[in-house]
Amino acid sequence: DTGVSQDPRHKITKRGQNVTFRCDPISEHNRLYWYRQTLGQGPEFLTYFQNEAQLEKSRLLSDRFSAERPKGSFSTLEIQRTEQGDSAMYLCASSLGRQEQFFGPGTRLTVL
Amino acid sequence: AQSVSQHNHHVILSEAASLELGCNYSYGGTVNLFWYVQYPGQHLQLLLKYFSGDPLVKGIKGFEAEFIKSKFSFNLRKPSVQWSDTAEYFCARPLYSGGGADGLTFGKGTHLIIQP
Repeated sequence: DTGVSQDPRHKITKRGQNVTFRCDPISEHNRLYWYRQTLGQGPEFLTYFQNEAQLEKSRLLSDRFSAERPKGSFSTLEIQRTEQGDSAMYLCASSLGRQEQFFGPGTRLTVL
Repeated sequence: AQSVSQHNHHVILSEAASLELGCNYSYGGTVNLFWYVQYPGQHLQLLLKYFSGDPLVKGIKGFEAEFIKSKFSFNLRKPSVQWSDTAEYFCARPLYSGGGADGLTFGKGTHLIIQP
């Protein structure tokens, strides 16, 4: 499968714990995006990378959230001191320049 | 920041009925528009996109959308729906005015159910 992959697909954690998600984009894509989606809403943009540079960050991205793309390939999204309001589906997408964004299956986070 | 709004959150149709889902976009910036679909248990995937040129855009699976600048609209249409079109449909545009396909802002989605 050469699409966008995300790991894990599901994560259950207790409030206050840290979690990290991984996204592997389509191999030749230089742009990588993170979104968050809650029930009954469309995806909300969090941040994006062009190669290893993080170029945009949404105001939704509090200082408990950090994302990296160290070698311009896979990316990680870490949430520190999780809160119940962080429960959501976290989506990753990638694109070649300003072309179509291809989405991964998402990581569903449940914070108890 | 730009935005899009979708009018219908739940639509139920019978097979072979015609479909039109509404999407309005906010004024300003470069207007690049997208419709994405999410079939049950699957990833979001692109149905069609408008960047410039012909305002009537053809997409996959028989879908089309018309960009009407005077109405700030980009409605999705299909002349005859099938049971397999049951899905969540999202309209989207770039969040910031730079255009292209940078971070996108999505509508709340329309849950379409096609009854056999």
